[in-house]
Amino acid sequence: KAGVTQTPRYLIKTRGQQVTLSCSPISGHRSVSWYQQTPGQGLQFLFEYFSETQRNKGNFPGRFSGRQFSNSRSEMNVSTLELGDSALYLCASSLLIGAEQYFGPGTRLTVT
Amino acid sequence: GQQVMQIPQYQHVQEGEDFTTYCNSSTTLSNIQWYKQRPGGHPVFLIQLVKSGEVKKQKRLTFQFGEAKKNSSLHITATQTTDVGTYFCAGHNYGQNFVFGPGTRLSVLP
Repeated sequence: KAGVTQTPRYLIKTRGQQVTLSCSPISGHRSVSWYQQTPGQGLQFLFEYFSETQRNKGNFPGRFSGRQFSNSRSEMNVSTLELGDSALYLCASSLLIGAEQYFGPGTRLTVT
Repeated sequence: GQQVMQIPQYQHVQEGEDFTTYCNSSTTLSNIQWYKQRPGGHPVFLIQLVKSGEVKKQKRLTFQFGEAKKNSSLHITATQTTDVGTYFCAGHNYGQNFVFGPGTRLSVLP
């Protein structure tokens, strides 16, 4: 069974731009969560989706948004990028909410 | 909101020594998960604990969930260089998202 895939793997953007990150969960998994990982803040929760509905949202500004499609694939968007948005963005899929999570390799975003 | 703490932040051990990391939640949890992240890698699921006082073993790894379901520990017996990485606990309550602890970074000296 294929694992969680994330595209792109690396991204360099300048301040003020916007970015869209994509996540394809494991086949059959309907729950997708997004996390931001930085050296100083660890793994911070962004969103959780299940069957196209956002179930939970972390404490991030409105510049961070996401969605899930009918095939369970998910995207997250960050508008008006700031230097502090530089991080590894991880997507995790699970069969059900609260079940074991399988992480993708992440998208390394650098904002200059 | 819910907070999850882990100690120690870093641990350096000689190969063959034991290692323990502790996880504490500010609230009672429905379940707790443990993950391992190798340098340059992504978190990999290790185990989930659900019941009060639960103890689970995976080869040299022993996981415990406290009686009050607010704390947990991971113990590694006779560490090996392959155990190097950061160990995260993640606490969960029904209807809420997982909250990850800051992690314990383990280095093993050969």
